[in-house]
Amino acid sequence: EPEVTQTPSHQVTQMGQEVILRCVPISNHLYFYWYRQILGQKVEFLVSFYNNEISEKSEIFDDQFSVERPDGSNFTLKIRSTKLEDSAMYFCASSEQSIGTGRNEQFFGPGTRLTVL
Amino acid sequence: DAKTTQPPSMDCAEGRAANLPCNHSTISGNEYVYWYRQIHSQGPQYIIHGLKNNETNEMASLIITEDRKSSTLILPHATLRDTAVYYCIVRVTSSGSRLTFGEGTQLTVNP
Repeated sequence: EPEVTQTPSHQVTQMGQEVILRCVPISNHLYFYWYRQILGQKVEFLVSFYNNEISEKSEIFDDQFSVERPDGSNFTLKIRSTKLEDSAMYFCASSEQSIGTGRNEQFFGPGTRLTVL
Repeated sequence: DAKTTQPPSMDCAEGRAANLPCNHSTISGNEYVYWYRQIHSQGPQYIIHGLKNNETNEMASLIITEDRKSSTLILPHATLRDTAVYYCIVRVTSSGSRLTFGEGTQLTVNP
């Protein structure tokens, strides 16, 4: 069964450093997402991406964050200058286009645990 | 998206049915009810969704009341691997739209 994959599984970085989290969505999906979950808190939406541009972003997704689909398979989240409060689990998800069925399930990857020291 | 209310935690005996309730009294006519679960810090997993009719798949059944103000997710024969946080999410389904997760219900299946 196809699945979303994410690398690395765990990333440790120093405050102020740039990090890039990588995701490979399911191959025929057109919509891509990033969510994060700070330890012990809710899963929070960051951004959605379609047709090579951001379609929606939350208030969390400020100028320190960017997303890119550099090739036909990868989808990346970059944090330009990490802060301590960026420590969290970051989940990538993808979905196919729903046409009139109401079905728009998002498939999530296993996550990247980001630790900022 | 309409707000949902779920109990913070529930227990269930292994092999028995787990019935997880969700209130969504402000749901509007074009909003669907979705259920996801998250097993111990793994990525959330889609379970089932519905608009107004009851739905069943290989994982669970979804019962939606006639007025659509509440629903129940039923795991017919819970196993230890069903221990997870279960999220009820009400949303207009459009391609690319966000999922808004609440606190969910921590279901613990006991041996």
